[in-house]
Amino acid sequence: NAGVMQNPRHLVRRRGQEARLRCSPMKGHSHVYWYRQLPEEGLKFMVYLQKENIIDESGMPKERFSAEFPKEGPSILRIQQVVRGDSAAYFCASSEVQYYGYTFGSGTRLTVV
Amino acid sequence: DAKTTQPPSMDCAEGRAANLPCNHSTISGNEYVYWYRQIHSQGPQYIIHGLKNNETNEMASLIITEDRKSSTLILPHATLRDTAVYYCIVRGSYNQGGKLIFGQGTELSVKP
Repeated sequence: NAGVMQNPRHLVRRRGQEARLRCSPMKGHSHVYWYRQLPEEGLKFMVYLQKENIIDESGMPKERFSAEFPKEGPSILRIQQVVRGDSAAYFCASSEVQYYGYTFGSGTRLTVV
Repeated sequence: DAKTTQPPSMDCAEGRAANLPCNHSTISGNEYVYWYRQIHSQGPQYIIHGLKNNETNEMASLIITEDRKSSTLILPHATLRDTAVYYCIVRGSYNQGGKLIFGQGTELSVKP
């Protein structure tokens, strides 16, 4: 049973480009969570999704960021018109049931140049 | 969700037990205590969780005080690979939302 798979592991984008980060949850997990970790800082919750629904996006910046978890396929975190301040590690986690412990992926390191 | 307080850093000698404290004085009756760790920018790793009884698994033991206002994570025989940031998180039950809120954690350094 593969763990939470995130790709790419490293992503370099120029300012103004779009970044698309993918997360495939563990088999049987229908709850997905995205977190961001800025350099030398802690993990910040961004968004919580179930299949085809956004449950809690209270940590998501209001502009340029969006997330989806379609019926088929991975969850996608999309950042439009990236800026240098978006450079961070983005972690995805999944769980089988809402209040169970999460399993985290290895993260995507986004660098904006 | 209740807030937690952890010391920012701790040292432990290799082979000795590491005891990581956490205060959660505002915890409510249906909130669980979770522990995660993050080893050098890897994805956080689940360690253990509990409600009110002490818990043990292959990684660690969790001791929760009777009043539930504090807990201690015990790594019985710390190794160099246990060097990491350890997060104590209090989280509500099913109908209070699913997200885990990470604080600053305790940076544990295991030394030879």
